[in-house]
Amino acid sequence: DTGVSQNPRHKITKRGQNVTFRCDPISEHNRLYWYRQTLGQGPEFLTYFQNEAQLEKSRLLSDRFSAERPKGSFSTLEIQRTEQGDSAMYLCASSFGGTVPSYEQYFGPGTRLTVT
Amino acid sequence: AQKITQTQPGMFVQEKEAVTLDCTYDTSDQSYGLFWYKQPSSGEMIFLIYQGSYDEQNATEGRYSLNFQKARKSANLVISASQLGDSAMYFCAMREPNTGNQFYFGTGTSLTVIP
Repeated sequence: DTGVSQNPRHKITKRGQNVTFRCDPISEHNRLYWYRQTLGQGPEFLTYFQNEAQLEKSRLLSDRFSAERPKGSFSTLEIQRTEQGDSAMYLCASSFGGTVPSYEQYFGPGTRLTVT
Repeated sequence: AQKITQTQPGMFVQEKEAVTLDCTYDTSDQSYGLFWYKQPSSGEMIFLIYQGSYDEQNATEGRYSLNFQKARKSANLVISASQLGDSAMYFCAMREPNTGNQFYFGTGTSLTVIP
């Protein structure tokens, strides 16, 4: 399977615990994006990487969220001290980079987080 | 201001009929890309069609076509010959490659195809 993969697919955690999600992009893609999606809404941008560099981070992202992409391959998204408002689907996507606007994103299946 | 606006929270269409899903966008860039994605109940986002700001012809991909009206900043998705499997959420998105390179998504339209 050469698509974007995410693990775990579902995560239930208690408020205050830390969680970490993993995303494996399409191998040729140098850009990797993280989004959060709540019910009835479109994906909300969180952050993105070009290779291993984190180029942009949403102002909406609190400092409890951190993302890494060591060696420009897979990425992890960690949420510390989870809150109930963090319950959402977390989507990862990858694409080719550059200034060509036509490079679409390919999405993974998402990780659904439930904070109890 | 919202970058992408989708004003139809829900739409219904009879099987085999055509349906238009509306999308308007806001940008001051000359170079941008417009995308439509489908999200079935399984949750995965599926790329459908792309339109570039410099493309003079409307994009088409099988039963999907994009009605691009640049002066009105609209990029409506037309699905012809609707099928039951088209029932899903549809999201319009925009990429501004010279301004941060984020993708901006609308709030989506839920399409239900009626047999």
